[in-house]
Amino acid sequence: GDSVTQTEGQVALSEEDFLTIHCNYSASGYPALFWYVQYPGEGPQFLFRASRDKEKGSSRGFEATYDKGTTSFHLRKASVQESDSAVYYCALGDSNYNVLYFGSGTKLTVEP
Amino acid sequence: GGIITQTPKFLIGQEGQKLTLKCQQNFNHDTMYWYRQDSGKGLRLIYYSITENDLQKGDLSEGYDASREKKSSFSLTVTSAQKNEMAVFLCASSPPGTYYEQYFGPGTRLTVL
Repeated sequence: GDSVTQTEGQVALSEEDFLTIHCNYSASGYPALFWYVQYPGEGPQFLFRASRDKEKGSSRGFEATYDKGTTSFHLRKASVQESDSAVYYCALGDSNYNVLYFGSGTKLTVEP
Repeated sequence: GGIITQTPKFLIGQEGQKLTLKCQQNFNHDTMYWYRQDSGKGLRLIYYSITENDLQKGDLSEGYDASREKKSSFSLTVTSAQKNEMAVFLCASSPPGTYYEQYFGPGTRLTVL
């Protein structure tokens, strides 16, 4: 079935570091891809989406580009802040059933 | 704006007990979801409902029942709690036509003794 893989369980950075969180997917066709962010004590929040090859999604300084060739949708940010500390989830959409398949999540910790 | 409310915030049960979690939303969204969140496993879909009185099983439905008697509420029942089980259960809803933009509640943390 359709699935999403996030290879990093945890990432630790210092403020102003460059962030990359890897996301690879397995699905037929062109599934829509998404990033969600979950701050401590809260539910996940939708960050942004992309639904076709080479499309870039972005929000709050974060961005990811849909790459059909490498089946990837890696999250990047040029300069992280302590307030970006959260768990980030990559997700794949199934529009036939109106559901999302989430990855295992990556916990980002940013030290001041 | 709107909000999703989940009750209780913390739920402690005994092995074999039937436990019910409740979710209310005032977005007036049609579709609602229940997820289980385990450390290191992400979010896994248990049940969802596309309208009042509709129920659809997710990948993790075994051991759970759900009920959608009103558009604004969606309940989840753990039919027989398993010892040492600990997880957070998240409720979400989505606007019509945008299933992917889900709004989540803060969760119910379940502990089974």
